[in-house]
Amino acid sequence: KAGVTQTPRYLIKTRGQQVTLSCSPISGHRSVSWYQQTPGQGLQFLFEYFSETQRNKGNFPGRFSGRQFSNSRSEMNVSTLELGDSALYLCASSLVGETEAFFGQGTRLTVV
Amino acid sequence: GQQVMQIPQYQHVQEGEDFTTYCNSSTTLSNIQWYKQRPGGHPVFLIQLVKSGEVKKQKRLTFQFGEAKKNSSLHITATQTTDVGTYFCADYNTDKLIFGTGTRLQVFP
Repeated sequence: KAGVTQTPRYLIKTRGQQVTLSCSPISGHRSVSWYQQTPGQGLQFLFEYFSETQRNKGNFPGRFSGRQFSNSRSEMNVSTLELGDSALYLCASSLVGETEAFFGQGTRLTVV
Repeated sequence: GQQVMQIPQYQHVQEGEDFTTYCNSSTTLSNIQWYKQRPGGHPVFLIQLVKSGEVKKQKRLTFQFGEAKKNSSLHITATQTTDVGTYFCADYNTDKLIFGTGTRLQVFP
């Protein structure tokens, strides 16, 4: 069975631009979470979606947003990019009622 | 907010030596999970502990949950080069993971 798929794998953007990252969860998984990983701040929770509804949000500015579609695929958007947004963005999916999170390979975003 | 710290930050060991990473939370942990992230890879779930004082083993790995549910540990016996990576603990709480700071393990052959 296919794992969590994130696209693109790598991205270079300029300050001030916006970016959209995509995540396709494992088939049957309806919960999708997003995390930001940086050397300085470690792994930080961004938000979690279930059945197209955001159930949880981390402590990030409003420039970070997301959504989930009816097929459970999810996107996250970062507007007005800053240099500090350079990070590995990880998506994780899980089954309803299960706590084990399955992570994708991530999207490495570089803001220049 | 909740802070989850891990020590040590780095550990270099000779192959065959043991390794332990400790996870400490500023608040009571709900369910503690452990993940391994290989260099250039993504976190991979290892195990979840739920009960106070719980101990679980996976081959050479032993996981413990503290009696007060404020700390946890991962011990690897006789490390191998395949154990290289960063080990994270994470508190699973209300559908989100609060990750620890991680311990990077390097194993020299």
